[in-house]
Amino acid sequence: AAGVIQSPRHLIKEKRETATLKCYPIPRHDTVYWYQQGPGQDPQFLISFYEKMQSDKGSIPDRFSAQQFSDYHSELNMSSLELGDSALYFCASSRRTNSYEQYFGPGTRLTVT
Amino acid sequence: QKEVEQNSGPLSVPEGAIASLNCTYSDRGSQSFFWYRQYSGKSPELIMFIYSNGDKEDGRFTAQLNKASQYVSLLIRDSQPSDSATYLCAVEYRGGSEKLVFGKGTKLTVNP
Repeated sequence: AAGVIQSPRHLIKEKRETATLKCYPIPRHDTVYWYQQGPGQDPQFLISFYEKMQSDKGSIPDRFSAQQFSDYHSELNMSSLELGDSALYFCASSRRTNSYEQYFGPGTRLTVT
Repeated sequence: QKEVEQNSGPLSVPEGAIASLNCTYSDRGSQSFFWYRQYSGKSPELIMFIYSNGDKEDGRFTAQLNKASQYVSLLIRDSQPSDSATYLCAVEYRGGSEKLVFGKGTKLTVNP
């Protein structure tokens, strides 16, 4: 079965640079979630989109923004990167119309140096 | 602040034994409960979900939910070394985006 696709899988950036992470949800899934997981931490919710509209916002810094496009893929834009932004970034998708299960992508490991 | 609490472990069981993982949550309005398995450096993998009080079985896994006690558990029967991972309890809060709030996870080691 098709899964959530994330790109890139690994990303190395320097402080103050920008990064863009991409997420392609499972086909026919209408909701996308972004989570951040620091070393030894549990995943923390950042932001979500339902039918291309932002549906909720969590602990996402103002330096970050995201959107969902007409084909349902989503991008997380991160600017003025800080060392503390180094983490795993997961995208998850669900089909809200008939279930609540969220399926996670493989993640993007961001390292800020 | 909605919270999800888990015993951080580590939990160590011998191969073939039953592993029992526990989770409590603070918000009585919570309606959906999930167990994810996460291997080191990998993404969370959904292994069980439960929405109603009682037990739900899927293969070697059984999820148990008691909303009155705000308690959810996961039993793994006939534990295998490949079950060694961190198990994350997640609670979904509806009325918005259905975001997940995770516990800190319990690290399980199954010894051959």
